[in-house]
Order: sequence, then structure tokens, then C-alpha cells
Amino acid sequence: EAQVTQNPRYLITVTGKKLTVTCSQNMNHEYMSWYRQDPGLGLRQIYYSMNVEVTDKGDVPEGYKVSRKEKRNFPLILESPSPNQTSLYFCASSLRPPPDTQYFGPGTRLTVL
Amino acid sequence: DAKTTQPPSMDCAEGRAANLPCNHSTISGNEYVYWYRQIHSQGPQYIIHGLKNNETNEMASLIITEDRKSSTLILPHATLRDTAVYYCIVRVSGTYKYIFGTGTRLKVLA
Repeated sequence: EAQVTQNPRYLITVTGKKLTVTCSQNMNHEYMSWYRQDPGLGLRQIYYSMNVEVTDKGDVPEGYKVSRKEKRNFPLILESPSPNQTSLYFCASSLRPPPDTQYFGPGTRLTVL
Repeated sequence: DAKTTQPPSMDCAEGRAANLPCNHSTISGNEYVYWYRQIHSQGPQYIIHGLKNNETNEMASLIITEDRKSSTLILPHATLRDTAVYYCIVRVSGTYKYIFGTGTRLKVLA
């Protein structure tokens, strides 16, 4: 089944403890992206990747890192999480860059205490 | 900067057409308008996109004004399962960044 998977789906952590949220797609998509969603602010793009080893900042990249070493995986790294990074995170992918349709993962709910 | 503006909420009677407006007055001439929806806190789901001409698929129709400054998503026969937040999205010209905005919460009433 064609899908975007994220792990973990739920995570509670403490300030400063490094964490990684994984994202994987099985559709051989070139474009991948991370978003965060906060009440009243909608979805905001954090980082995106056009292909392997090609990444760029979205609207709200501060405090996040990404890597794209393989086409199927696009992990989101929080080196030193802070409470303002408590949010719902979505990974998405598309076969090619825009205007191709994006397929979203199920989301990861992160709480930083 | 690219930006979209949508009403925060709308109601629609079941079986009637739902018309969801979006203002994107700063859109560049070669940028598409996309519509996605999100049910509860699930991942957003693609609905439709368009550039200049009106578009229709099995889910919805998209009407784009001639000046491209606004568009309307039409769900022709809304059902209770169409209750969701609908996002009108544009890409920032010259980049591959998307701007989602805060969306319209559509409630379909029985």
C-alpha cells in the first residue's frame, strides 16, 4: 500500500533531550516536506527536500534539522527541544516538486515539557 | 509574500452545495492554487488544484476568477463526511515552499 509513515505517533519528552521523528515513503517520491500545526496558525512548513542530499528551509526552520540521505526517508531532528516546539507534526511527499499532489503522513503529536 | 485568506468557519446543509472562498491576491501569474482538507487531526488530503481555468474532479470543482486573485472550492452535494478544515494553498513564487494559511472549518449539518 502506498503510504507515508511517521514514527513515533506520540511523544512526550523534556526540554533539551535530542529527538528524531522519522518519516518514510514507499512511493519513490522525490519531494518530501515537514510541517507543524498549531491551534490558530494552521500548517506551517519547516523544511523540504527536492531529492537526496537537497534540502531547504520552509517558513519556520528554527530549532529543527533534517537530512535526506536516502530517497525514501526524511527524518526531522530536534537537537535541543523546547516547549514552544510542542506541536502536531506532519510529513508529506510528492512524486515531483510542486505542483504535484502531496501525500501526508498520519502525524506525530509531540509534547516538550 | 504569497498569502491566502479564508473565512474561519462555514456551515452547510447536507445535500446542498458548499462554496468555500479563498483570497490569494498576491499570487504570481504562473503559480497554482491548491485545495486540501483535514478531517480531525489526520494528515491533510488533496482535493484539487488549478492555474487559470476552472477544474473539476470526482471530489469537487474549483472556480478561479479571471484575475486569479480569488478562487472558490465547490462541493456539489455536501455530506456529513465532508465536515473538515479546508485549506487553500499557494506556493511562494520562485521557491518550493507552500503557504497553508489557517483554513475554513466547514460543518455540514444534517
